[in-house]
Amino acid sequence: DTEVTQTPKHLVMGMTNKKSLKCEQHMGHRAMYWYKQKAKKPPELMFVYSYEKLSINESVPSRFSPECPNSSLLNLHLHALQPEDSALYLCASSPGTVVTNYGYTFGSGTRLTVV
Amino acid sequence: GENVEQHPSTLSVQEGDSAVIKCTYSDSASNYFPWYKQELGKRPQLIIDIRSNVGEKKDQRIAVTLNKTAKHFSLHITETQPEDSAVYFCAATGNQFYFGTGTSLTVIP
Repeated sequence: DTEVTQTPKHLVMGMTNKKSLKCEQHMGHRAMYWYKQKAKKPPELMFVYSYEKLSINESVPSRFSPECPNSSLLNLHLHALQPEDSALYLCASSPGTVVTNYGYTFGSGTRLTVV
Repeated sequence: GENVEQHPSTLSVQEGDSAVIKCTYSDSASNYFPWYKQELGKRPQLIIDIRSNVGEKKDQRIAVTLNKTAKHFSLHITETQPEDSAVYFCAATGNQFYFGTGTSLTVIP
C-alpha cells in the first residue's frame, strides 16, 4: 500500500458544527502532516506529528485540533470554523521525521466548505 | 527560516516546446529539492527530486538541475504535452519543507 487515504473527500459544514477529517497510511511512515491549501497557492503547513507526537504547530487557531491515535492514523477535529477556513485540507506522510530529505506522499485531500 | 522563490507564476507554451521553471532558496543548509505537479482538483504528486550532492537528474522528459553555489534549481520539461498542464511547486527542505509559490503551466495544443 503506497497511498495516503483521506476521508471524507468533500465536507460542507456550518459554523456551529463539529466534524473530523481522517487520514490513514500503511507505509510505515513515522511523520504525518496536515496542510491547508487555497486554490493555486502552495500548501500551508498546519501540524506535524513525528513518531505520534505533535512536533510542530504553526500557530493554527484552536478551532483546529489534531490527533494522532496511532502511527497509521491522523485526525483533524474541526469546531466553530469560519467561512475563510474553506479550503483543501491535505494530509501527507514521509518516512523520516521533521528533519527530512524524503518526498511527501500526499492524500487526495478533503475539500471543506464552511457555510 | 527558508525562503523559496519560484518563477514564473504562469507559463504558456506550445505543444512540443520546452518549459523551464526556476526556484531560488536562501538557506544553505537545505539539502533536498523535490518538485510537485498538481492537476486541478487533485493532490500534489512528486514528479522528480534532487539531493544536494547531485547537480542534475533526468527522468524521461523531465529534468532538474541544481546550482548549490547560486542557491537555485530548475525544472525542465521537454516535448511538452497537453497533459503536462498543471500547477508545479518546487520545495526546499532543511528542517521543514518550504514550498515555492507555484507555476501554472498551460500547454497549448
